[in-house]
Amino acid sequence: QVQLQQSGPGLVKPSQTLSLTCAISGDSVSNNNDGWAWVRKSPSRGLDWLGRAYYRSEWRYDYATHVEGRMTIIPDTSRNQLSLQLNSVTPEDTAVYYCAKTRALGQGIVSWGQGTLVTVSS
Amino acid sequence: DIVMTQSPLSLPVTPGEPASISCRASQSLLNRNGNTYLDWYLQKPGQSPQLLVYLGFNRASGVPDRFSGSGSGTDFTLRISRVEAEDVGLYYCMQALQAPFTFGPGTRVDIK
Repeated sequence: QVQLQQSGPGLVKPSQTLSLTCAISGDSVSNNNDGWAWVRKSPSRGLDWLGRAYYRSEWRYDYATHVEGRMTIIPDTSRNQLSLQLNSVTPEDTAVYYCAKTRALGQGIVSWGQGTLVTVSS
Repeated sequence: DIVMTQSPLSLPVTPGEPASISCRASQSLLNRNGNTYLDWYLQKPGQSPQLLVYLGFNRASGVPDRFSGSGSGTDFTLRISRVEAEDVGLYYCMQALQAPFTFGPGTRVDIK
């Protein structure tokens, strides 16, 4: 059973970079069948799919339109973890952030991290 | 991007009674492989979301059979045959046909 353990600061100042890490156990980040995603939950936007990374002989990435250009997902095969970097944050980025495992072929988001509340405030 | 809508946004329910939530996509979620890429998730208070249904009608592992998904193309429904108190929370549909994947706004289910 895969487990996803998130870590990272809970408070980020406006205009700075939000960085979170998701340590994966019970699976490999470079699993050739599945993928890894970041999703956030805020009162204003509900559940918000941010992006995903998946390995199919090479790493591939997709990002939500509203964060593309300032969001980067970084897989680390040596540590078996996934990181999120979101640049130039504003208070609108305040949310609970989740890392998650997505099954291939449309079989859904099957595992979720515990969630990390990140507040953007000076 | 594919836009997802849900109705109702709030659903008070009576335990033991049925309930249903509708979800609509701005374009068909039917893939050329014949599958329809629509998921349903439930986020219970204080918990991470959990997968209920994938590919339109397939119940995820461990999901009670009182939950069922149906629909095709752009219109989908999640039904709960007999609501239990533990079913309260926020229900979301999500399209997984094309990136970026997108969620509906959510339907809040609570007990009357």
